[in-house]
Amino acid sequence: DTAVSQTPKYLVTQMGNDKSIKCEQNLGHDTMYWYKQDSKKFLKIMFSYNNKELIINETVPNRFSPKSPDKAHLNLHINSLELGDSAVYFCASSRGGASGELFFGEGSRLTVL
Amino acid sequence: GESVGLHLPTLSVQEGDNSIINCAYSNSASDYFIWYKQESGKGPQFIIDIRSNMDKRQGQRVTVLLNKTVKHLSLQIAATQPGDSAVYFCAENSDNYGQNFVFGPGTRLSVLP
Repeated sequence: DTAVSQTPKYLVTQMGNDKSIKCEQNLGHDTMYWYKQDSKKFLKIMFSYNNKELIINETVPNRFSPKSPDKAHLNLHINSLELGDSAVYFCASSRGGASGELFFGEGSRLTVL
Repeated sequence: GESVGLHLPTLSVQEGDNSIINCAYSNSASDYFIWYKQESGKGPQFIIDIRSNMDKRQGQRVTVLLNKTVKHLSLQIAATQPGDSAVYFCAENSDNYGQNFVFGPGTRLSVLP
């Protein structure tokens, strides 16, 4: 049973297109996240949701719109894709609170041509 | 040895030797720290954590040391094995909700036969 699963694993698309990445966790966690990992492996938080409510929204262009239909799902929609959006996007979840380790998905590699 | 430059810092060790991976964290208010291991093509996985009221914590073959005076964290891996080859990240958290983890730049550990 995969704890945090995200689809698709690979996504290749043209500049200007719109795409979505889906994420689901079966750990019963209250908090979910999207992280972006660039080509130098640097991991940066994009969004955090707690019980379907947006908690953290780092300086991410508003072309990126997260949606949490319920606390087990956090999807990421990206409009008007740009070359610089090429990266690996990781979904994660945690119990939240003062000691919640993050459980990561396997990542979705987005390549914008 | 360790190299730092435009690329991800790399630490090369002989199989069987001990490894020490260092991390300088940025926020003196951070009170919870985690080391993650990321294997190729996978998401980061939890290794060990430590709170700011401790300076050392041991797990199986791994030890984390925390020096709050100089804002430094280290991960020691005993008897390094080929399966330890991966990128290692430290992550710090300073908010009471445990929701905003800031990741360090990562170190690639290469285990030589």
